[in-house]
Amino acid sequence: AQSVAQPEDQVNVAEGNPLTVKCTYSVSGNPYLFWYVQYPNRGLQFLLKYITGDNLVKGSYGFEAEFNKSQTSFHLKKPSALVSDSALYFCAVRERSYSGAGSYQLTFGKGTKLSVIP
Amino acid sequence: GAGVSQTPSNKVTEKGKYVELRCDPISGHTALYWYRQSLGQGPEFLIYFQGTGAADDSGLPNDRFFAVRPEGSVSTLKIQRTERGDSAVYLCASSPGTGGVYEQYFGPGTRLTVT
Repeated sequence: AQSVAQPEDQVNVAEGNPLTVKCTYSVSGNPYLFWYVQYPNRGLQFLLKYITGDNLVKGSYGFEAEFNKSQTSFHLKKPSALVSDSALYFCAVRERSYSGAGSYQLTFGKGTKLSVIP
Repeated sequence: GAGVSQTPSNKVTEKGKYVELRCDPISGHTALYWYRQSLGQGPEFLIYFQGTGAADDSGLPNDRFFAVRPEGSVSTLKIQRTERGDSAVYLCASSPGTGGVYEQYFGPGTRLTVT
């Protein structure tokens, strides 16, 4: 079974400061990892993904995330937070299936509410 | 281009009634997913279609829930004998293929309230 933990329900950061939203995962094999953002009354928007290769992944709106296999983590980061980054952030995982079999469902964490204070 | 659309955006129904929720995926996307998001939680998987067939329905909570995708495009999630515990936001997503490399594109959701 696959699972995701986002240990912080809420993260507060001052505008202009760096931000980190934490995510750890559990899968039987190797993972595909995703970050999504959800603004109020809107659907989930894709930010970035880790499939293979470079552990540092760059995505939309200046966000990046670092895959750490030994710590089973995929923390989301941004060097300088904007007030407009305030939203709900979800980490998701899917186990890589080399046989091609299995489900393609994503397993999501509970989400972390990011508040950027002006 | 147009994203994933879902109708209605809000649905209020009485306990015991039947409801249908519709999803229109991005044109050309072969894979379609339904998720359910309860308050304060992340989305939970319900069912996944590849083309017209349900390739994985392991997330459907019970036999009151059913989904179809008859022509491989639009999908309808059907809930019979609704219960108050079914109240949630129902999200639809689509992707160009079924490999894990593809991200899923989500619609705005249908907020279902069962009174």
